This record gives sequence, C-alpha cells and structure tokens, in this order.
Amino acid sequence: DAGVIQSPRHEVTEMGQEVTLRCKPISGHNSLFWYRQTMMRGLELLIYFNNNVPIDDSGMPEDRFSAKMPNASFSTLKIQPSEPRDSAVYFCASSPTSVTSPYNEQFFGPGTRLTVL
Amino acid sequence: SQKIEQNSEALNIQEGKTATLTCNYTNYSPAYLQWYRQDPGRGPVFLLLIRENEKEKRKERLKVTFDTTLKQSLFHITASQPADSATYLCALDWGQAGTALIFGKGTTLSVSS
Repeated sequence: DAGVIQSPRHEVTEMGQEVTLRCKPISGHNSLFWYRQTMMRGLELLIYFNNNVPIDDSGMPEDRFSAKMPNASFSTLKIQPSEPRDSAVYFCASSPTSVTSPYNEQFFGPGTRLTVL
Repeated sequence: SQKIEQNSEALNIQEGKTATLTCNYTNYSPAYLQWYRQDPGRGPVFLLLIRENEKEKRKERLKVTFDTTLKQSLFHITASQPADSATYLCALDWGQAGTALIFGKGTTLSVSS
C-alpha cells in the first residue's frame, strides 16, 4: 500500500490567492482527518470525515477554509483567499474503523508545506 | 478548561541512557492514550497505545505507563540511540471508532553519541 498521499508537497503562493490541498487516503480506511501543524500551536484538527460525511468542522479557523470529500478515495482542503497566517504544514490522515478495534490509530501523509507571502 | 501537555519541548540525553517523556492532561477521560513519532519533514507515525485499564505496555525498547488517577502517561525509551532522535507526540483517544484524537505539542528528543 502506498500510504496516504498528499499533493502538492510544497506550495508557495501570494496573499489573496486560492490554495487547494489534496489527499488520497489509504484504501479501505473510512475516516479522514485534516490537521494543521505550527510551532506555536502544534497539531490542530481542522475537520474530519466518516464515510465521506463531515462529522466535525469546529476546528476550521474561518469561512475562508472549506473541505470536501466527494468519494472514499479523495479529499480536498481549500483556502480562499489565503493569508500569511495560514502558513503551516497541513497533514491529512486516515484511519480504519472497526467495531472490534475501537481505538483510532491514524496513518498520516507526508504533509503539504504552505507558505503564503 | 481541557488541556493536554507534554512537559518539555526538548530533551537531550546521552546514548545508552533511558529517555522519559511525560504527557499530562486535565478534564478528559480518554479510553486510550497513543504515542506517535515524528521525524523532520514527515508526518507522525503510530508507535503504540495503552488502554485506560492497563498500567504498562511494552514494545521492544519502548515502555508506556498510564495513570488515570494522575491523568498522566510516561513514555520510556531504554538504551537510547541517536536514531531515536525525533519528536514524540502523545494523543488522547476516546475509544469510539471514527472519532478524532487530541494531540499534545510534542517533545523533541535528541540522543547524542
């Protein structure tokens, strides 16, 4: 298995531009999570999906952020318009869910390093 | 308020010694506590977890304890090696399939030879 795939790995953009981050979870995993990591705030949960349905988006900073999961193998996180304070590393993670294994081990992608100038 | 804290941002030890990292939380009652390793430029990788009714869990040179009364987990790496240098994150897990974790900020461990 290729693991969680994220693209792009690096993104440099100017303030005001739209940014789209992409994620392909591990096949068969039915939970998907988007995180943002900074030195100051650590790893913050932005939103997560179960079976393609958004469950909790309370971590999304503001209306400039939106996320979609149109099918089980693809998700996007969009920032429009982007601001310098959005600069961070964005991680996508997926997790299998099973009634026999109620713990939630997460498998992370390599992350997208976003720089907004 | 609810908090999860890893008590030190950085820990420096010599090769061969035991590294002990601490994870404290308040106002939570997790069913599991997980530990992850993160190397620079990469995503966190799951190491091991411990259930609330387990006192101790071991995996090779790793040992985790979980004290629900103190609301604390200790993560030990015995016979540490320079290759163990990384950031280690603890995470609270409610034990309900399909729910999110809450991560600490991590402790960066440096093992010198």
